[in-house]
Amino acid sequence: AQSVTQLDSQVPVFEEAPVELRCNYSSSVSVYLFWYVQYPNQGLQLLLKYLSGSTLVKGINGFEAEFNKSQTSFHLRKPSVHISDTAEYFCAVSRRNTPLVFGKGTRLSVIA
Amino acid sequence: GAGVSQSPSNKVTEKGKDVELRCDPISGHTALYWYRQSLGQGLEFLIYFQGNSAPDKSGLPSDRFSAERTGGSVSTLTIQRTQQEDSAVYLCASSLAAGGGQPQHFGDGTRLSIL
Repeated sequence: AQSVTQLDSQVPVFEEAPVELRCNYSSSVSVYLFWYVQYPNQGLQLLLKYLSGSTLVKGINGFEAEFNKSQTSFHLRKPSVHISDTAEYFCAVSRRNTPLVFGKGTRLSVIA
Repeated sequence: GAGVSQSPSNKVTEKGKDVELRCDPISGHTALYWYRQSLGQGLEFLIYFQGNSAPDKSGLPSDRFSAERTGGSVSTLTIQRTQQEDSAVYLCASSLAAGGGQPQHFGDGTRLSIL
């Protein structure tokens, strides 16, 4: 069975600083990887996804993620965060015929 | 086009009552999912449908919980004899298919409060 580990439950960062949210997955076969964001009182919104091809994936709101097969990681990065990036971020993985499996989430708090 | 729609957006009910939560997926999406999110917690998978069938019901917490989907479209999650620990946000999502790299699209959830 596949699983997803988000290594940090909370990440505080100052405004305009860079941030990395870490995600590791366990699977012995090819996977599809996703990052979602959840703002307060809303559902989850897709930030970006990796299906195949280039290992660097660019998403909305200036976020990007890099797929590293050897380290089974899919870390999310942003070079300069804004107050509006304060939210919960979820990493997810799926295989060809299976639904997404979500990590427990990382709460990003941007400090002015 | 319209996204995933959930109703009601908020529901307050007394302990012991039954509640029904509704999810209207994106048109053409064959897969539909239900999750529960308790305060400050991650997503707890409940059940998913492929068409009208539920291949995986493993996440339903107890036999008080049931779900159905009709016509490959609208789904209803029913909680019988509600308990206070059922208080949570219930999220619904849909996708073109289950797996295959298809992303899930989420509704804004139903916030359920059991008094």
